[in-house]
Amino acid sequence: NAGVTQTPKFQVLKTGQSMTLQCAQDMNHEYMSWYRQDPGMGLRLIHYSVGAGITDQGEVPNGYNVSRSTTEDFPLRLLSAAPSQTSVYFCASSHKGAKNIQYFGAGTRLSVL
Amino acid sequence: AQSVTQLGSHVSVSEGALVLLRCNYSSSVPPYLFWYVQYPNQGLQLLLKYTTGATLVKGINGFEAEFKKSETSFHLTKPSAHMSDAAEYFCAAPPNAGGTSYGKLTFGQGTILTVHP
Repeated sequence: NAGVTQTPKFQVLKTGQSMTLQCAQDMNHEYMSWYRQDPGMGLRLIHYSVGAGITDQGEVPNGYNVSRSTTEDFPLRLLSAAPSQTSVYFCASSHKGAKNIQYFGAGTRLSVL
Repeated sequence: AQSVTQLGSHVSVSEGALVLLRCNYSSSVPPYLFWYVQYPNQGLQLLLKYTTGATLVKGINGFEAEFKKSETSFHLTKPSAHMSDAAEYFCAAPPNAGGTSYGKLTFGQGTILTVHP
């Protein structure tokens, strides 16, 4: 009964470092998304995917890369971390026919010093 | 594109009092609408949804919301607040009302609900 699993839960980076946030879902959902959550701004879409091999940019894509080689996994890569990327990151997935009902992971809290 | 606005970033109520969290959407086309709840240090959990049909939607934990097209609103209510309701609540809708949104959602800014004993 795992649902959407994100790792790590917490991470501290120095400016300029790179890292990958992992996201995996076991519900065979076609759609997956990455959001960042900042105080007073709700959740903002970074990148999304409609299936393996297909990704597209969301509202705030700069500084982030994604790929989707399998249906289950959707990693988010920070190429060169900046303090402005300090945030809580959520991965979500949804079934193609489920009217945009999204299931969320527990989040990764990232601090960039 | 659809936008979602939540009025009030913080709402404080006493235990047993009515909870009212406000949400307005922008589209002229009735969209799907959602309320999600986020408990401290957790992910978002679906509270309730409006897709089509009945405009009064019941969700988990005694919450309900009413879709009002004339007011472009989808306010969340609960008749009697409980301490366990303390959380942040998000209203959300697909960004392309009436079109395909590929699972994406546009979120409101969030409302933090505090419940006092």
